[in-house]
Amino acid sequence: SAVISQKPSRDICQRGTSLTIQCQVDSQVTMMFWYRQQPGQSLTLIATANQGSEATYESGFVIDKFPISRPNLTFSTLTVSNMSPEDSSIYLCSVAQGPEAFFGQGTRLTVV
Amino acid sequence: GQQLNQSPQSMFIQEGEDVSMNCTSSSIFNTWLWYKQDPGEGPVLLIALYKAGELTSNGRLTAQFGITRKDSFLNISASIPSDVGIYFCAGEGGTSYGKLTFGQGTILTVHP
Repeated sequence: SAVISQKPSRDICQRGTSLTIQCQVDSQVTMMFWYRQQPGQSLTLIATANQGSEATYESGFVIDKFPISRPNLTFSTLTVSNMSPEDSSIYLCSVAQGPEAFFGQGTRLTVV
Repeated sequence: GQQLNQSPQSMFIQEGEDVSMNCTSSSIFNTWLWYKQDPGEGPVLLIALYKAGELTSNGRLTAQFGITRKDSFLNISASIPSDVGIYFCAGEGGTSYGKLTFGQGTILTVHP
């Protein structure tokens, strides 16, 4: 399975600021995915990060709030913009190898 | 959109007991995946199911892909304290590998 590393693992941020989360994979993958896990909740797909094209966002998520970069086949970033306390969540990077999907350890974000 | 109903929400069992949890959906899925998430970690893939009726084991874990492709169950036999965690089912609906819909999770507590 792919080894996925996320940075930072956690952060506490002031409202109104932005945080960029990095995701590094140990092998080249076509698509990378970003999920959000709100406190005590399940995982919800934010967007699919495509290399060479704009990310594809799920309903309820917009590029202005969650801009995504995918400069190459092993790396992606997710930015949480203009944060509010409601953005406090775990943000997870994921990759698919065939039908199986693997996750990073997550970035635990607290907005104060 | 697609939704998964996972039950039970939580379970409190004695060490050595068997555990069963399941997921149902109104939509068909092409792949069913079962994950375990420990505190502060990302979900770890336990079992992947690829075709209707498939029954797959991984040590003390057994999972089945329902014949209708709208349900799946996970059994854990002879539970041990390290089985404690949150178990999630996830379905992939055929649009893209890696784009998963998650169940709400089952919180498992094992008393020694």
